[in-house]
Amino acid sequence: NAGVTQTPKFQVLKTGQSMTLQCAQDMNHNSMYWYRQDPGMGLRLIYYSASEGTTDKGEVPNGYNVSRLNKREFSLRLESAAPSQTSVYFCASSDWRGGNTIYFGEGSWLTVV
Amino acid sequence: KQEVTQIPAALSVPEGENLVLNCSFTDSAIYNLQWFRQDPGKGLTSLLLIQSSQREQTSGRLNASLDKSSGRSTLYIAASQPGDSATYLCASNSGNTPLVFGKGTRLSVIA
Repeated sequence: NAGVTQTPKFQVLKTGQSMTLQCAQDMNHNSMYWYRQDPGMGLRLIYYSASEGTTDKGEVPNGYNVSRLNKREFSLRLESAAPSQTSVYFCASSDWRGGNTIYFGEGSWLTVV
Repeated sequence: KQEVTQIPAALSVPEGENLVLNCSFTDSAIYNLQWFRQDPGKGLTSLLLIQSSQREQTSGRLNASLDKSSGRSTLYIAASQPGDSATYLCASNSGNTPLVFGKGTRLSVIA
């Protein structure tokens, strides 16, 4: 009964370091998403993958890259972390882009110092 | 571009009270509207999904309504309980696009 699993749950990075957030879903969903949540800003879409083999930019893509490794996995990479990327990151998945319930992971707390 | 607004940002009510949370959106050509609950330190849990052709959805003590012409949705919680304390977010999309979220309403139900 895993649903959407994200790792790591907590991470502290130094400015300029790189890291990858991993996400996997076991619901055979076509679409996957990465959001960030900041106080007072709500959830903002970073990147999404409507289906395996495709990725698209969301509202705040700068400083991030993504890889849809296969249907189950969608990773988010910070190439050179900046303090402005301190946030809570959520991965999510759904059957398809618009029409069905979306399921979220538990979140990854990232601090860049 | 769809924009979603939730007012108020925070709400405190005594236990047992019926309450309404509000959500407004700018593009009436929505595909669907969803309400979520988020507990502190946790991810989002979907509560109700209303397709654009529907007017409302109900689940237990929760009822969500959709009025596309006015660009509004409401989440009605009956007989509130302390366990209902959480942040409630609404989200919608225009056409076949990813969801756009409001900033949420933080609800506190006081025993």
